[in-house]
Amino acid sequence: KNQVEQSPQSLIILEGKNCTLQCNYTVSPFSNLRWYKQDTGRGPVSLTIMTFSENTKSNGRYTATLDADTKQSSLHITASQLSDSASYICVVSFMNRDDKIIFGKGTRLHILP
Amino acid sequence: NAGVTQTPKFQVLKTGQSMTLQCAQDMNHEYMSWYRQDPGMGLRLIHYSVGAGITDQGEVPNGYNVSRSTTEDFPLRLLSAAPSQTSVYFCASSYDGTAASGNTIYFGEGSWLTVV
Repeated sequence: KNQVEQSPQSLIILEGKNCTLQCNYTVSPFSNLRWYKQDTGRGPVSLTIMTFSENTKSNGRYTATLDADTKQSSLHITASQLSDSASYICVVSFMNRDDKIIFGKGTRLHILP
Repeated sequence: NAGVTQTPKFQVLKTGQSMTLQCAQDMNHEYMSWYRQDPGMGLRLIHYSVGAGITDQGEVPNGYNVSRSTTEDFPLRLLSAAPSQTSVYFCASSYDGTAASGNTIYFGEGSWLTVV
């Protein structure tokens, strides 16, 4: 079954600390993997997009990694800020299939001052 | 540049009523789509369109209709609302491509729908 699993479900860290969020997928054939940030009550906003040939992509303090062999991705947040409090969603697309795009349930990140 | 605009933001419907969620984008994107987001679940694709005049079903299309008469607009219609359609709905668009491409998918701010 094609799935996208994210862990942890929720995470609480202190402002200024680093954290890493995980995404495992079983999608095949794989096209690309995206990370989105969703603030409460808002729409998701794109952070990174990686194809199977890319193994790292950065966007400011956000760095995503991809291991297409083990079907794992991570999102590392450096020097967290209060504004990083949000849900982070991993999204995986199938090769050549526009009706097949699977969203993970997200990791809810809380940054404490 | 407004991006992806959805209306209404909030709506309460009675079971059996019909309504249309409006979606417009001003980025000249070919690919547009509708998702629903329910508690404890990931976003799920309802319908999508790869260009004007072309629409297709996603994962959860039942109870919803769409049309794409122009590049800019992609309305989602609920013909006979049911409590199971209570959800948050997101419209999204992407440049010249598809979900399988590497293009960024831009989301609207969401429409909160309650069916009583």
